[in-house]
Amino acid sequence: DVKVTQSSRYLVKRTGEKVFLECVQDMDHENMFWYRQDPGLGLRLIYFSYDVKMKEKGDIPEGYSVSREKKERFSLILESASTNQTSMYLCATSRGNYGYTFGSGTRLTVV
Amino acid sequence: DQQVKQNSPSLSVQEGRISILNCDYTNSMFDYFLWYKKYPAEGPTFLISISSIKDKNEDGRFTVFLNKSAKHLSLHIVPSQPGDSAVYFCAAKSGATTDKLIFGTGTRLQVFP
Repeated sequence: DVKVTQSSRYLVKRTGEKVFLECVQDMDHENMFWYRQDPGLGLRLIYFSYDVKMKEKGDIPEGYSVSREKKERFSLILESASTNQTSMYLCATSRGNYGYTFGSGTRLTVV
Repeated sequence: DQQVKQNSPSLSVQEGRISILNCDYTNSMFDYFLWYKKYPAEGPTFLISISSIKDKNEDGRFTVFLNKSAKHLSLHIVPSQPGDSAVYFCAAKSGATTDKLIFGTGTRLQVFP
């Protein structure tokens, strides 16, 4: 089974801090994604990557950036955290037409 | 612009009965549809999928129906069990070259004894 590991389950950060959310997968999948989940809004795509050093904006990229230096690792960066970025962040991987495998999520609270 | 819509935010069903979760989409280019199940504090897990060349796919207690003309799909769970209580997301994608999924807003299913 593909394992997708998100480094933290819960994080509390202060407004204005730079925040790094890490995601590591162990099955050599090309595609990696970052979503956030909010009540009533479902899962919204922030950024995705189809290959190393490659990134594409999703539907809500503002306030975020990403890094993919190695195939197995996809990092989401909040350049200057704000309270409206309090959310559940979900990383996912995929290969081909088989759907996603998600990590367990990181619940981020910005105070 | 919500391309995938789940108009029922919640559903409550008695154990043993059928649960029907609905999903509508607007993009006629979508050709593959999936359902995910999510428990609190966990990531979504894949449940069942259907290609646009089919109108039904069944896997145990779970069946997904696709009505392309109505741009509508539904997930049937029979019989419903308390362990099915979770949030269910439908998702869609288009084209063979992209893996990007568009998710709906989710439906919270509660199965009571």
